[in-house]
Amino acid sequence: AQSVTQLDSQVPVFEEAPVELRCNYSSSVSVYLFWYVQYPNQGLQLLLKYLSGSTLVESINGFEAEFNKSQTSFHLRKPSVHISDTAEYFCAALSGGYQKVTFGTGTKLQVIP
Amino acid sequence: GAGVSQSPSNKVTEKGKDVELRCDPISGHTALYWYRQSLGQGLEFLIYFQGNSAPDKSGLPSDRFSAERTGGSVSTLTIQRTQQEDSAVYLCASSLVISGANVLTFGAGSRLTVL
Repeated sequence: AQSVTQLDSQVPVFEEAPVELRCNYSSSVSVYLFWYVQYPNQGLQLLLKYLSGSTLVESINGFEAEFNKSQTSFHLRKPSVHISDTAEYFCAALSGGYQKVTFGTGTKLQVIP
Repeated sequence: GAGVSQSPSNKVTEKGKDVELRCDPISGHTALYWYRQSLGQGLEFLIYFQGNSAPDKSGLPSDRFSAERTGGSVSTLTIQRTQQEDSAVYLCASSLVISGANVLTFGAGSRLTVL
């Protein structure tokens, strides 16, 4: 079965510093990968997705993630965070041919002024 | 509608009562998911509907939980004889298939508190 691991439950980082949120998945078959963001008291929003093509995908607010098949990873990065990035981030995976989306346990990003 | 709509947004109930949570998916989305988000936990898959196919109920935690989807649109999640451990945010998502993958759009959730 597909599983998604987010090792860091909380990541504190100072404003304007870089950040990396780690995500690893387990699948030997083709996989689609996603990052969702949940701002306080809101629902989940799609941040970015890898479906095919370029292994580096970007969001409109400066985040990027790179699909690394050999390391089965899809880490989320941002070179300079803002206070407004404070939220919980969920990595998710979907195996081709089976449409149940599996989520990681989430990483709370706390941006410190 | 423009997004996935869930109701009620908040529900407080007494232990042992039944509750119904409703989800209106985005028009044209053929797949619908229910997840549960408990405090300090990730998202727990509950059930998945795809078109007219039999739903994937593999995530329902007990037989007190059931869900239906009428006319391929609105879905209702029913929890019978609620227990305190059922307290959580119940999230509904509908999806559009892009490049062979279901890309989920979530509603704001229904927060259930069982006293």
